[in-house]
Amino acid sequence: DAMVIQNPRYQVTQFGKPVTLSCSQTLNHNVMYWYQQKSSQAPKLLFHYYDKDFNNEADTPDNFQSRRPNTSFCFLDIRSPGLGDAAMYLCATSRVPYSNQPQHFGDGTRLSIL
Amino acid sequence: TQLLEQSPQFLSIQEGENLTVYCNSSSVFSSLQWYRQEPGEGPVLLVTVVTGGEVKKLKRLTFQFGDARKDSSLHITAAQPGDTGLYLCAGGIYNQGGKLIFGQGTELSVKP
Repeated sequence: DAMVIQNPRYQVTQFGKPVTLSCSQTLNHNVMYWYQQKSSQAPKLLFHYYDKDFNNEADTPDNFQSRRPNTSFCFLDIRSPGLGDAAMYLCATSRVPYSNQPQHFGDGTRLSIL
Repeated sequence: TQLLEQSPQFLSIQEGENLTVYCNSSSVFSSLQWYRQEPGEGPVLLVTVVTGGEVKKLKRLTFQFGDARKDSSLHITAAQPGDTGLYLCAGGIYNQGGKLIFGQGTELSVKP
């Protein structure tokens, strides 16, 4: 089945130690999104790629960066994680960047900071 | 800043009861999507409504988009334990490349 896969499902890192989260998709979608979701809160868009074009949300901390080396893969890099960065990180895709298009989500990576 | 207020935040009901979840904003949205998220999983799309006043039915779930495209509701008839989960509404923003604004979610628990 075509899907969005996130690895790892659970990630534990130390305060200040860089961490990379991975997302891959077999849907061949043009758009890939990264969301941060804290407990009992709405998913918050961090950035998205439309093909190779990177779009950063204005309030996304500089600590967060992303790479999309090809259509299938997208990475979220957190350079110096703080305690406030502990959250579920969701990757999603859509075929085209229109707001009526469904977004297909992975099962997320839960990040813990020690 | 565009916001979507979702209510109630928590809902615990008995099997067989009906319920309605509301999603309200002062902003106009190009579309409104409803997702369901189970613990440890990503959100899964239930429906997209795009026309003001639109009503869509999915088995026991009825979704409505307000005439002014600022609000939406999800009504579940005869809830079942399998309906338990987090329900999220998400509004589409005009001319912002597929960006969605999510409500904070309604955590539904249906007890047998």
